[in-house]
Amino acid sequence: GDSVTQMEGPVTLSEEAFLTINCTYTATGYPSLFWYVQYPGEGLQLLLKATKADDKGSNKGFEATYRKETTSFHLEKGSVQVSDSAVYFCALIPSHGSGNTGKLIFGQGTTLQVKP
Amino acid sequence: DVKVTQSSRYLVKRTGEKVFLECVQDMDHENMFWYRQDPGLGLRLIYFSYDVKMKEKGDIPEGYSVSREKKERFSLILESASTNQTSMYLCASKTGDNQPQHFGDGTRLSIL
Repeated sequence: GDSVTQMEGPVTLSEEAFLTINCTYTATGYPSLFWYVQYPGEGLQLLLKATKADDKGSNKGFEATYRKETTSFHLEKGSVQVSDSAVYFCALIPSHGSGNTGKLIFGQGTTLQVKP
Repeated sequence: DVKVTQSSRYLVKRTGEKVFLECVQDMDHENMFWYRQDPGLGLRLIYFSYDVKMKEKGDIPEGYSVSREKKERFSLILESASTNQTSMYLCASKTGDNQPQHFGDGTRLSIL
């Protein structure tokens, strides 16, 4: 079945370091891909999305590119801040005709800790 | 902006009680979802609804039921609360098959 695999955390970085959180997926066709962020004690917020191959989603300095050939959607940021400390979830919605009707499939989440 | 509102941020109940968690969205979304989130287990889908009075089981429906009498409101019901239902509960809504889900702030429920 469809699935999402994220790198295990926690990821600990110093402020202004470069961030990469790896995400790969297994799905038929062309799923829609998302990154969500969860700050401590809060719900999930949509960070960015991409709906077709080679699309680049971006928001708040974060970017991710939909790579069909490697079935990946890695999250990157050039210079992290302490305020970026949170849990990051990669997720997908399977494509039409796959028997699914729009439910999100989540990865396990990756905790990012940024130290001053 | 989409607003998904969960009625309580924190809730403490006793074993055996009937517990209601309420969720309201203001964007006329057709689809609504209830998840629970536990350390090491990620997010797990409990129930979802694609229309008023319509519901479908998710991955872990046992011990829960739901109600959707109006389009904007989706309630999660713990029929007889147990300690293993202590968790963070998240509600979400969306429109259209490939559109993202929008989440509420969550309810941290403790069953004593």
